[in-house]
Amino acid sequence: SQELEQSPQSLIVQEGKNLTINCTSSKTLYGLYWYKQKYGEGLIFLMMLQKGGEEKSHEKITAKLDEKKQQSSLHITASQPSHAGIYLCGAALKTSYDKVIFGPGTSLSVIP
Amino acid sequence: SAVISQKPSRDICQRGTSLTIQCQVDSQVTMMFWYRQQPGQSLTLIATANQGSEATYESGFVIDKFPISRPNLTFSTLTVSNMSPEDSSIYLCSVGTGTYEQYFGPGTRLTVT
Repeated sequence: SQELEQSPQSLIVQEGKNLTINCTSSKTLYGLYWYKQKYGEGLIFLMMLQKGGEEKSHEKITAKLDEKKQQSSLHITASQPSHAGIYLCGAALKTSYDKVIFGPGTSLSVIP
Repeated sequence: SAVISQKPSRDICQRGTSLTIQCQVDSQVTMMFWYRQQPGQSLTLIATANQGSEATYESGFVIDKFPISRPNLTFSTLTVSNMSPEDSSIYLCSVGTGTYEQYFGPGTRLTVT
């Protein structure tokens, strides 16, 4: 089974709507990363969370890490077509951060 | 943050040949990694490139197939050896900063025919 799961697998929303993507681990995480990927391109770093209960925001994107450090959510407010892409969560499973595994990704489409 | 470049950006290679991918960072970094992203899949860590010593490979990846060099703190190469169509993927270099943030290069899209 996947060590890191994401839900939903894909999402289609109307422009202006809010949405949430979840990332769940079966193990306690030392760090949780969120990235955005456009088709066939590299990964754009969005943010990293390290502490239980931590929350970070960048523009209209907010990410939270739960107190147990096993689940994270990414919330987009008032979505825009520019938010479309694949969102990937990555998890550092060691204190040295030298092994980061990735979830399967969530494909987001935003309809104008 | 870090600015990472990769060469080549894409290539089409014949079965049985080898391709070396270069990764250059604009600043010295402690950690450099190589990932593979197969078509329609997420990322899989191939190895950690260690400066001055042999790379640390993940389960399922071996040095003979994916030799890695890291001569200094800003540069690394990954070679995909004796290629087969199953090696067709995007290969991504990433670096870890002192604050544990991890940034990715633009990737190398490899097609093996």
